[in-house]
Amino acid sequence: KAGVTQTPRYLIKTRGQQVTLSCSPISGHRSVSWYQQTPGQGLQFLFEYFSETQRNKGNFPGRFSGRQFSNSRSEMNVSTLELGDSALYLCASKRTAASLTDTQYFGPGTRLTVL
Amino acid sequence: GENVEQHPSTLSVQEGDSAVIKCTYSDSASNYFPWYKQELGKGPQLIIDIRSNVGEKKDQRIAVTLNKTAKHFSLHITETQPEDSAVYFCAASGNTGNQFYFGTGTSLTVIP
Repeated sequence: KAGVTQTPRYLIKTRGQQVTLSCSPISGHRSVSWYQQTPGQGLQFLFEYFSETQRNKGNFPGRFSGRQFSNSRSEMNVSTLELGDSALYLCASKRTAASLTDTQYFGPGTRLTVL
Repeated sequence: GENVEQHPSTLSVQEGDSAVIKCTYSDSASNYFPWYKQELGKGPQLIIDIRSNVGEKKDQRIAVTLNKTAKHFSLHITETQPEDSAVYFCAASGNTGNQFYFGTGTSLTVIP
């Protein structure tokens, strides 16, 4: 069974640009969550999608947005990039959003560097 | 919301020794506590988890203990091996907010 895949793996952008990251969950998983990982802040929750609906959102500005498609694939978008947005962006999937105890599987992440 | 604290931030042990990583949480409603291992260049991988209705769980060389009264849980790795070297994260989730809250990570180095 294929794991969570994320594309691209690496990205370099400049301040003010926007970026779109993609995540394909494990087959059969309908919940997709996004996290930002930085050395100083650790793993911080961005948002979760289930059945194309955002179910929960972390404490990030509106420049961070996402969506989920009918095949459960998800994208996140960051507009007007700032230097502080440089981070590893992780996607995680699980079968449902109804149970908090569903095992959550992470992808390898997209390393975003903002210059 | 929930606040998860993790200690120590770095840990070095000799191969064959045990390693213990501790986490505390603030929200008494949290009821699920997974532990993740993250190797360089990879995403976090679930290694063990525990639910609030049990106090201890073991899987070969890895064990997790939970003290709900004190609101802390710990990861124990016995007979450590060099391949155990990685960053370990604890997390907590519960009925409030429907999200996982992560500790800040422990960088474990096993010295051959």
